[in-house]
Amino acid sequence: QKEVEQNSGPLSVPEGAIASLNCTYSDRGSQSFFWYRQYSGKSPELIMFIYSNGDKEDGRFTAQLNKASQYVSLLIRDSQPSDSATYLCAVYNTDKLIFGTGTRLQVFP
Amino acid sequence: DADVTQTPRNRITKTGKRIMLECSQTKGHDRMYWYRQDPGLGLRLIYYSFDVKDINKGEISDGYSVSRQAQAKFSLSLESAIPNQTALYFCATSGGNTGYEQYFGPGTRLTVT
Repeated sequence: QKEVEQNSGPLSVPEGAIASLNCTYSDRGSQSFFWYRQYSGKSPELIMFIYSNGDKEDGRFTAQLNKASQYVSLLIRDSQPSDSATYLCAVYNTDKLIFGTGTRLQVFP
Repeated sequence: DADVTQTPRNRITKTGKRIMLECSQTKGHDRMYWYRQDPGLGLRLIYYSFDVKDINKGEISDGYSVSRQAQAKFSLSLESAIPNQTALYFCATSGGNTGYEQYFGPGTRLTVT
């Protein structure tokens, strides 16, 4: 079992819709969780981090954490074509970030 | 100016050559990392350093070495490049709000022929 798992996608959503990206992790003791956005050929860019169970909102982005079920999700409201990218989930574990392989999101007009 | 810079941005080299990738940062962070990214495999950690005197191997350190010349500089060397080291290489730093989130450089696209 991979430590951090994401569906590779692509996840296709129409412009204006809500995109929901999910991530599960294997280490129940993990405490810190991150979402990165990566455009093709570019470097990962930090979008959000979350530590506590529940929701954390930042603009059009909402991160959700459920430690009991060991999953993290990212919701993107009012999706725009410019949101089309690969979204990486990362979990902090023993001095390192463990990254999932990412979910590719496609937002079509 | 970018907070984390990498040189070169693109490099083509031949099998057996030694090559160095350089990373510099102006964020004042203590922790620095080197990753490689391959299609379908995601980001894999090669080496990381928590300060000038601290170097640690990541999950795929074989065939690579690093040098932490200063708090702001962390270099990655391929002693004898081989074609399966063709990849996108990223440097990252951490030490921000939480101390755990990482900030990435623009990447170096390395091709070994």
